[in-house]
Amino acid sequence: AQTVTQSQPEMSVQEAETVTLSCTYDTSENNYYLFWYKQPPSRQMILVIRQEAYKQQNATENRFSVNFQKAAKSFSLKISDSQLGDTAMYFCALTEIQGAQKLVFGQGTRLTINP
Amino acid sequence: NAGVTQTPKFQVLKTGQSMTLQCAQDMNHNSMYWYRQDPGMGLRLIYYSASEGTTDKGEVPNGYNVSRLNKREFSLRLESAAPSQTSVYFCASSEAPSYGEQFFGPGTRLTVL
Repeated sequence: AQTVTQSQPEMSVQEAETVTLSCTYDTSENNYYLFWYKQPPSRQMILVIRQEAYKQQNATENRFSVNFQKAAKSFSLKISDSQLGDTAMYFCALTEIQGAQKLVFGQGTRLTINP
Repeated sequence: NAGVTQTPKFQVLKTGQSMTLQCAQDMNHNSMYWYRQDPGMGLRLIYYSASEGTTDKGEVPNGYNVSRLNKREFSLRLESAAPSQTSVYFCASSEAPSYGEQFFGPGTRLTVL
């Protein structure tokens, strides 16, 4: 069975600082996708970034980047120049490449950006 | 383009009552999913439908039934609601198999008294 673990229930940083959210996972698959989803107070789930396990290069999307360590099964999210609008729950998720691609989520990290 | 829509947004039930949560997507996706979100536990998969006419159990299917009415619609039914089913329910859809991204609806907050 696949599992995803986020060990930081809550984090808080000042606006403009850089913050890193941690995620570890376990899967027997060699190829899979990893995601970070953001859930602001509106409750809407928003995709932040995606990483294909067969790619060695770490994914980046503007201020968001990941550190993907396949051997260690680690997938952290770095938010640079944090903004008040980044305040949200962040979920790490994993899915297989084939089949129905069911998502397995971590427990989430509540991130607060302080002015 | 509405994406994924869910009705209702909020619902309060008494123990033993039944209800159906509706979900529809207009992106022509093959796969649809129902998740529940509880505090401290992330989202957990209840049921999914990989294609029109098929449904399969996820991680927490007990107490629920689903219907893939057509390619657009995927409903979740609680036959006899229990307080343990108090949760936020999300429907999602995707092009699976593809790049794995799922598109989520706005969620339904359900309280069972």
